[in-house]
Amino acid sequence: KNEVEQSPQNLTAQEGEFITINCSYSVGISALHWLQQHPGGGIVSLFMLSSGKKKHGRLIATINIQEKHSSLHITASHPRDSAVYICAVENTGNQFYFGTGTSLTVIP
Amino acid sequence: EPEVTQTPSHQVTQMGQEVILRCVPISNHLYFYWYRQILGQKVEFLVSFYNNEISEKSEIFDDQFSVERPDGSNFTLKIRSTKLEDSAMYFCASFKGAGFETDTQYFGPGTRLTVL
Repeated sequence: KNEVEQSPQNLTAQEGEFITINCSYSVGISALHWLQQHPGGGIVSLFMLSSGKKKHGRLIATINIQEKHSSLHITASHPRDSAVYICAVENTGNQFYFGTGTSLTVIP
Repeated sequence: EPEVTQTPSHQVTQMGQEVILRCVPISNHLYFYWYRQILGQKVEFLVSFYNNEISEKSEIFDDQFSVERPDGSNFTLKIRSTKLEDSAMYFCASFKGAGFETDTQYFGPGTRLTVL
């Protein structure tokens, strides 16, 4: 069973496009994380959310606790945004569950 | 900028051998984690550590695994008797704690473990 589902699995966009990646989860959570995994394998944490919305540069993350859904938006996408974006949730028992990731390719 | 470091970057071992993976978290962080990612699969949570003890562990983290913070700076993951299926990338992460401006986890670069 998958506690965390992401869509789409793969996404190709033209440079400059607005991108949305979705995450749905089935467990009660204390926090939701968005991570970026580079082609070399390194992981960077982008956001930790428990409610509402956060913005950092061209990245925006939102969460709807009632609907158990989060979105990651990238405005004015750039080829350097190409990476795998991973949604992870921390449940109320402080266990972490990861999605399978969304592979984003931004074409110049 | 402070960073989490991990050594070695790549470890090759024979099945049944013990391995110790080392991590140096960011110095003023309070929470520490180990995750693993088998090639081509999703990241999996292994264990979290706070106040010098395990706070949570997953089903994967069985008696073959242990963690230690032996000297206040290093955070180690020991696998007592490695199996082929332990081959994976192991990531360490640290977190300062909720309520701080930098309220995200910081990940190390990973240790690739290959069990032959």
